[in-house]
Amino acid sequence: AQSVTQLGSHVSVSEGALVLLRCNYSSSVPPYLFWYVQYPNQGLQLLLKYTSAATLVKGINGFEAEFKKSETSFHLTKPSAHMSDAAEYFCAVTHTGGFKTIFGAGTRLFVKA
Amino acid sequence: ETGVTQSPTHLIKTRGQQVTLRCSSQSGHNTVSWYQQALGQGPQFIFQYYREEENGRGNFPPRFSGLQFPNYSSELNVNALELDDSALYLCASSLVVAGEVDTQYFGPGTRLTVL
Repeated sequence: AQSVTQLGSHVSVSEGALVLLRCNYSSSVPPYLFWYVQYPNQGLQLLLKYTSAATLVKGINGFEAEFKKSETSFHLTKPSAHMSDAAEYFCAVTHTGGFKTIFGAGTRLFVKA
Repeated sequence: ETGVTQSPTHLIKTRGQQVTLRCSSQSGHNTVSWYQQALGQGPQFIFQYYREEENGRGNFPPRFSGLQFPNYSSELNVNALELDDSALYLCASSLVVAGEVDTQYFGPGTRLTVL
């Protein structure tokens, strides 16, 4: 069975500081992994996805994530936070041939001036 | 290329009523998935339709049903509404080829409130 755990329901960083949002997954088959961002009262926007190519995945808005099979992790990072990064972030997993995407509970990112 | 659209944006119903939510998929996509997102939680998979047939279902009762039309637009129907059905309902479309997983593109959602 697949599952996703996002460590920390809330993360607060200062503007310009490193952003690190943690995601661990469980999957019995090679997974596809995604990070989405959701702004208030909006749908989900794809930040990046891992599909078994390069383990370091670069996404939009300066975000990137590294797939680490040994740690079953797919943490999201950004070197320098911007005020506009304040939002809810969701990690998700599915697999080849799968129809069901499992989302984590989300991490709300706060950016302080 | 148009994105995924959903209607209505907001809806208020009372317990026991029925509701239909609509989704227009992104051009060229053949698969649509529906999700329920309760306040403060991640989206929960309801079901997926591929080429007009249900392709998989999450842990939702039969009063949640759906349709996908030849133009790949879709409906989510919920009967006998309960207070716990209050949530943001998201649809997501994708292009599935030979069972491979492609990126899902999400609509803005429909906020359903059940009183």
